[in-house]
Amino acid sequence: DAGVIQSPRHEVTEMGQEVTLRCKPISGHNSLFWYRQTMMRGLELLIYFNNNVPIDDSGMPEDRFSAKMPNASFSTLKIQPSEPRDSAVYFCASRSTGNTIYFGEGSWLTVV
Amino acid sequence: DQQVKQNSPSLSVQEGRISILNCDYTNSMFDYFLWYKKYPAEGPTFLISISSIKDKNEDGRFTVFLNKSAKHLSLHIVPSQPGDSAVYFCAASATGSARQLTFGSGTQLTVLP
Repeated sequence: DAGVIQSPRHEVTEMGQEVTLRCKPISGHNSLFWYRQTMMRGLELLIYFNNNVPIDDSGMPEDRFSAKMPNASFSTLKIQPSEPRDSAVYFCASRSTGNTIYFGEGSWLTVV
Repeated sequence: DQQVKQNSPSLSVQEGRISILNCDYTNSMFDYFLWYKKYPAEGPTFLISISSIKDKNEDGRFTVFLNKSAKHLSLHIVPSQPGDSAVYFCAASATGSARQLTFGSGTQLTVLP
C-alpha cells in the first residue's frame, strides 16, 4: 500500500515567488492535514480537511497561505508570495476513522 | 501556549539500557495520546498510543505510561537499540476537537553502541 505521497521533496525558490506543494493521501482516508515543522515551533497544524472540506484553518499563518482539496485524492498548499521565514519542512498527513494519522515524507522548502 | 511539552530536547542512552522519554500536557480535555518516531529526511511514523481510560500500553519493546492526575506520559524503550536513534514526538488529542493532534517539540534520542 502506498503511503502519503508528497511533491516536491525539495524546493528552493526566490523570495516573492509562488510555491505549490502537493499531496496524495492514502486511498480511503477521509481526513487530510497539512503540518509545518520548524526548529522554533516544532510541528504545527496549518489546516485540516474532512471529506475534502476545510474544517479548521486557524493554523494558517497568514493570507499568503492557502490550501485546497479538490477531490479525495489530492490536495495543494500554496504560498504566494513566499518569504524566507516560510522556509520549513511541510508535511501532509492523512487519517481514516481512527486516531492515528499517517505522514508523508515531507516537502523541504527553502526560500532565499 | 504549548499544550504538549517535551522538556528534554535530547537524550543519550547506552545500547541495551532503558530509554525513558517524557511528555507533559496542560489541556485536561486530552483523552488520547500517541508517540511518533522521526528519522532524518523522513516523515514521522506512528509508534504507539494510549487512551485515557488506560494507564499503560505495551507493544514489544515499547511501553507508554499515562498518569492523568499529573498530566504526564512517558515512553519506555527496553532494551534500547542503535536503530531507535531518532526524534520522538508526543502528541495528544481531545474528543470533539475533530481528533486534531497537538504535538510536542520532540526529543532526540541517541542510543550509543
